[in-house]
Amino acid sequence: AQKVTQAQTEISVVEKEDVTLDCVYETRDTTYYLFWYKQPPSGELVFLIRRNSFDEQNEISGRYSWNFQKSTSSFNFTITASQVVDSAVYFCALSGPSGGSNYKLTFGKGTLLTVNP
Amino acid sequence: DTEVTQTPKHLVMGMTNKKSLKCEQHMGHRAMYWYKQKAKKPPELMFVYSYEKLSINESVPSRFSPECPNSSLLNLHLHALQPEDSALYLCASSQGTRDTRVNTEAFFGQGTRLTVV
Repeated sequence: AQKVTQAQTEISVVEKEDVTLDCVYETRDTTYYLFWYKQPPSGELVFLIRRNSFDEQNEISGRYSWNFQKSTSSFNFTITASQVVDSAVYFCALSGPSGGSNYKLTFGKGTLLTVNP
Repeated sequence: DTEVTQTPKHLVMGMTNKKSLKCEQHMGHRAMYWYKQKAKKPPELMFVYSYEKLSINESVPSRFSPECPNSSLLNLHLHALQPEDSALYLCASSQGTRDTRVNTEAFFGQGTRLTVV
């Protein structure tokens, strides 16, 4: 069975602070994929990143960075110099390889990030 | 263009009504999904269509009936719903592939906020 744990239910920061959202996962698959999605109040889930289990390189995209560590089964997300527009619910998700029953995305419960001016 | 379009954005229906939710994508994706999301919860998978065939039904009650008329369209027909079915219904699509070594990210629409009265 797959499981994703986002232990932080809510985080509140002041603009320009750095913030890290934690994600810990469990899976028995040797090939799997990890995702982060952002859900602003409008409701749409916005895709941020996909990482496969064979690629442990960290990634940086502008103010966003991701730290994938298989040894601790974690895929953490850091926002540098946060902005009010970053306020949203952030979901970490996990899936096995595509095909058959593995199209499922297992989501964590989400972290509500509030960035105050 | 990574757009998934859902209509309507809001829907209020009585328990005896029949209504349909519509979803459209023009990215050439071959996998399409329906998710249900209750307030302050993560999305829950309902159905997956792969190459226009239903591949996953997560034991969804028969009052929800999916339909995939072609590779770009996905419908969700609603009949005799209950107030507890009120939720945000999200459609998503992904490239989809028969190669089990590959997985690609899903792109989500803005959802239909359904209220059953």
